[in-house]
Amino acid sequence: ETGVTQSPTHLIKTRGQQVTLRCSSQSGHNTVSWYQQALGQGPQFIFQYYREEENGRGNFPPRFSGLQFPNYSSELNVNALELDDSALYLCASSRGLAGGNTQYFGPGTRLTVL
Amino acid sequence: KNEVEQSPQNLTAQEGEFITINCSYSVGISALHWLQQHPGGGIVSLFMLSSGKKKHGRLIATINIQEKHSSLHITASHPRDSAVYICAPYNTDKLIFGTGTRLQVFP
Repeated sequence: ETGVTQSPTHLIKTRGQQVTLRCSSQSGHNTVSWYQQALGQGPQFIFQYYREEENGRGNFPPRFSGLQFPNYSSELNVNALELDDSALYLCASSRGLAGGNTQYFGPGTRLTVL
Repeated sequence: KNEVEQSPQNLTAQEGEFITINCSYSVGISALHWLQQHPGGGIVSLFMLSSGKKKHGRLIATINIQEKHSSLHITASHPRDSAVYICAPYNTDKLIFGTGTRLQVFP
């Protein structure tokens, strides 16, 4: 039990729709990172938020965006969904940037795009 | 060539065996994470290290920054160790994940 929760657990959307995924971090964790994991692959870094500002972004288009709130919650928004966006989306929180701090992962949201 | 290479990709062992999983990376890093992922997706952080060696229970992780190599060892392996083990170096504000090593330990 990492103390990090994600909602929803599963989600089905159709191509072109928009989706918002939510993550609730541990209290006191000022950093949240989001990852995409396609079936059979390792996770891919989407972006990291530190003290409510984006701090590092992977190779994902601008239709992937995020927000971090003062209450240790965060969102991942994906616009204009494509079939290839079907994946497990993981968030991880930490006390500071991931380079120097243990990451606590949520259970993930499995997104299916039809 | 991937920035992070793990070997082996798949590993089977008998209970009690000593396990070694290797990770090589090509980028400069400030730290490296070892993670464990069970079926269903849950990921647990095992170690974060930037030099030398760390030990936690039956798990040992080592890193050689100059050689850009890290290893994860499991002593006295147990069926509950069956999972995917992922190496993730930290480079310029992001974790770069290996594809993982799938370990199955049989009784």
